[in-house]
Amino acid sequence: DVKVTQSSRYLVKRTGEKVFLECVQDMDHENMFWYRQDPGLGLRLIYFSYDVKMKEKGDIPEGYSVSREKKERFSLILESASTNQTSMYLCASRMAGTGRNYGYTFGSGTRLTVV
Amino acid sequence: SQQGEEDPQALSIQEGENATMNCSYKTSINNLQWYRQNSGRGLVHLILIRSNEREKHSGRLRVTLDTSKKSSSLLITASRAADTASYFCATDALGAQKLVFGQGTRLTINP
Repeated sequence: DVKVTQSSRYLVKRTGEKVFLECVQDMDHENMFWYRQDPGLGLRLIYFSYDVKMKEKGDIPEGYSVSREKKERFSLILESASTNQTSMYLCASRMAGTGRNYGYTFGSGTRLTVV
Repeated sequence: SQQGEEDPQALSIQEGENATMNCSYKTSINNLQWYRQNSGRGLVHLILIRSNEREKHSGRLRVTLDTSKKSSSLLITASRAADTASYFCATDALGAQKLVFGQGTRLTINP
């Protein structure tokens, strides 16, 4: 069964900590995405990557960075966590090209709380 | 920026009834997709309809697309308690590399 795996379901971190959220997919997909989901705001795109070592800013990249050293892994980094980054983080992947005719595959999400 | 807007924001019906959710969007699209999210979990892809299609079926799901009105609807027939979830539309816009999601419809099926 193909899937996207997010390393943690729940995380609690302190303000100012550097936080790594890991996402791994086993489908050989080129495109990977990080969204955050907040009540009343829906899903907002933070960063995406359309290939190894490539990255593009989404709608709300401030306070975040990403790393894509290998095709299967896309990491989201909170350089210095703040309480307004408390949220549900969702990783997704998709095949490039004709993959547009298919949907995204999402991970189960990481609920991050910054205290 | 959010492109898809779902309507209603919340819907509560009795088991066995049909549920209809609507989505409106603003720009030209390659396709439109619907996803389901159970509470606290990731999204699951349900169905994709291309811009040159008007209607598509998958099991108890029926999706329509009207590109002239920039709108889509998702119909779930003979609803079940397990259909309780949030439903999101997402648009794959022409020239874009990513999906844009609406804020979702919260569907509750009462037994």
